Amino acid sequence: ETLMTQSPATLSLSPGERATLSCRASQSVNSNLAWYQQKPGQAPRLLIYGASTRATGIPARFSGSGSGTEFTLTISSLQSEDFAVYYCQQYNDWPPWTFGQGTKVEIK
Amino acid sequence: EVQLVESGGGLVQPGGSLRLSCAASGFRLSDYWMSWVRQAPGKGLEWVANIHQYGSEKYYVDSVKGRFTISRDNANNSLHLQMNSLRIEDTAVYYCARDRDRLDPWGQGTLVTVSS
Repeated sequence: ETLMTQSPATLSLSPGERATLSCRASQSVNSNLAWYQQKPGQAPRLLIYGASTRATGIPARFSGSGSGTEFTLTISSLQSEDFAVYYCQQYNDWPPWTFGQGTKVEIK
Repeated sequence: EVQLVESGGGLVQPGGSLRLSCAASGFRLSDYWMSWVRQAPGKGLEWVANIHQYGSEKYYVDSVKGRFTISRDNANNSLHLQMNSLRIEDTAVYYCARDRDRLDPWGQGTLVTVSS
């Protein structure tokens, strides 16, 4: 099973600032990585797949990078609606699909 | 519009059973794998199970093997999760999701509470 580790657990930033979230896999997952956003009381929403491809309707301020074991989600300029929890998920090695424990982006 | 709607959650005693359903619309269910993912209160996401387009392959996370069964009815555009021998640690919101390796979209979830 591939373990996914996200850092930091919490990121405190102000609107307009740049957010950099990290996700590390315990073994190579190639580029088979997705990022999700979850707001309180809502289902997760796909942001990025293939490590760097934005899902339909996702704003350009969201970008993903990385391959192998190290991945990054960047939000170039935080908007009020971006404060949420973000999860990475690998789909290279299954079953099971595995998620990171999440990074909460909160307002500073 | 692609949409998934879960139902069937509720309060059940330890050792009990529950059957969750997921109604799909806006796409042909038979074209996709489908997954169930759960989220315990205040916790992260845990993939539970998935099923091939025609039900020929099914996979489960170790913690539910032998207790949960995933199934589908493509003619009625529905996905199901039969949960038996429920434990307190199965308490969670259960989401269905279209599985193209990445999971998209997700339903709104249904809450399962296992408590005496």
